[in-house]
Amino acid sequence: QVQLQESGPGLVKPSETLSLTCTVSGGSIRGYYWSWIRQPPGKGLECIGYISYTGSTNYNPSLRSRVTMSVDTSKNHFSLSVSSVTAADTAFYYCARQVRVAGTSGWFYYFDSWGQGTLVSVSS
Amino acid sequence: QSVLTQPPSVSEAPRQRVTISCSGSRSNIGNNAVNWYQQVPGKAPKLLIYYDDLKSSGVSDRFSGSKSGTSASLAIRGLRSEDEADYYCSAWDDILNTWVFGGGTKLTVL
Repeated sequence: QVQLQESGPGLVKPSETLSLTCTVSGGSIRGYYWSWIRQPPGKGLECIGYISYTGSTNYNPSLRSRVTMSVDTSKNHFSLSVSSVTAADTAFYYCARQVRVAGTSGWFYYFDSWGQGTLVSVSS
Repeated sequence: QSVLTQPPSVSEAPRQRVTISCSGSRSNIGNNAVNWYQQVPGKAPKLLIYYDDLKSSGVSDRFSGSKSGTSASLAIRGLRSEDEADYYCSAWDDILNTWVFGGGTKLTVL
């Protein structure tokens, strides 16, 4: 049973960079896509983007200019950076594994495992 | 404003049946599989249904998913108090080139 655990500062100052790491245990990071999803307190889910174990990325267009993701297969973890943060970036940040499965008309994907989430607050 | 539209809340009595709708467009639900997630307050979301109507491992047979055109639905029969949670639909959007979610539906078991 794969487990994911987010880690990083819970408080970031406005205009600075938010940095989080997700450590994967109970399974290899290889062979999968790894995602970051956030949820402002009391609100819905927003996909920030994902990274493959090979390092290829896909970022949400609304955040692309401020987001960077990286992966370290030797440490079995992947990371997220969001620059120039504002109060609007205050949210629970979740990492998740994105599974790819062959369907009758092509590939389909879903998030099958999630970290417990970590609250990042942006405040001076 | 979420790309996928869900009712903010639904409620029903124990042992009854409830459905949660999810409306999208051709670029997301109309062209891609729909997944449903359950989020109990204070916890991370959990995969419930994937590829429109397949149940994730360990999910009760009381849960079922369906899709028609650009809309999808999650049905829960035999409601129990432990089903109280927020439910989110999700699909890949070919135009936005990212995952999109519904705004979430809060289920209350009366």
